Amino acid sequence: DAKTTQPTSMDCAEGRAANLPCNHSTISGNEYVYWYRQIHSQGPQYIIHGLKNNETNEMASLIITEDRKSSTLILPHATLRDTAVYYCIVRALQGAQKLVFGQGTRLTINP
Amino acid sequence: DAGITQSPRHKVTETGTPVTLRCHQTENHRYMYWYRQDPGHGLRLIHYSYGVKDTDKGEVSDGYSVSRSKTEDFLLTLESATSSQTSVYFCAISTREQETQYFGPGTRLLVL
Repeated sequence: DAKTTQPTSMDCAEGRAANLPCNHSTISGNEYVYWYRQIHSQGPQYIIHGLKNNETNEMASLIITEDRKSSTLILPHATLRDTAVYYCIVRALQGAQKLVFGQGTRLTINP
Repeated sequence: DAGITQSPRHKVTETGTPVTLRCHQTENHRYMYWYRQDPGHGLRLIHYSYGVKDTDKGEVSDGYSVSRSKTEDFLLTLESATSSQTSVYFCAISTREQETQYFGPGTRLLVL
């Protein structure tokens, strides 16, 4: 699985959009981009994933650049409960038993 | 949230004692996984199962065994617990190997 690079930490004001970047310059054509988050002491929570098109669900939007070397997770209206560590993961379709979690971005939502 | 429960949620045990952690799912998913999470290491896969009685090793399987006699239950056993196995253990499930994994709430294990 390709390696990802994320900022160590970010801050965002409550009610604003939180934009979390991820670089995955060595991503292969058969690898998806996944985002998970982990709120303190809880299990990782799936947010969204995509291959090359932008994706949106009830939690977030995922914007993947045309060359697929980077992506951005957008939380449109951040709340205090969105404070968590966010993980960007690239994962192949076949033989992909494990998820490789890096260090992630610690997002703090400020009131 | 996916119907995944883990038991116990917290456990303190002594070195050398056997410990069994249970993961129970109500989703009828075929794949189940055990990870451990430690500071500085992220999540690491211990074992996974791709069906009843079908299991395989992950990257940190030494000292652990697993069993899956029913679709809904995946057991992780530490035959003789060591202090290095102090960790938070997460179970995950997925419908197929390449599909999204959903995680349980975790078990905090302290081995003294």
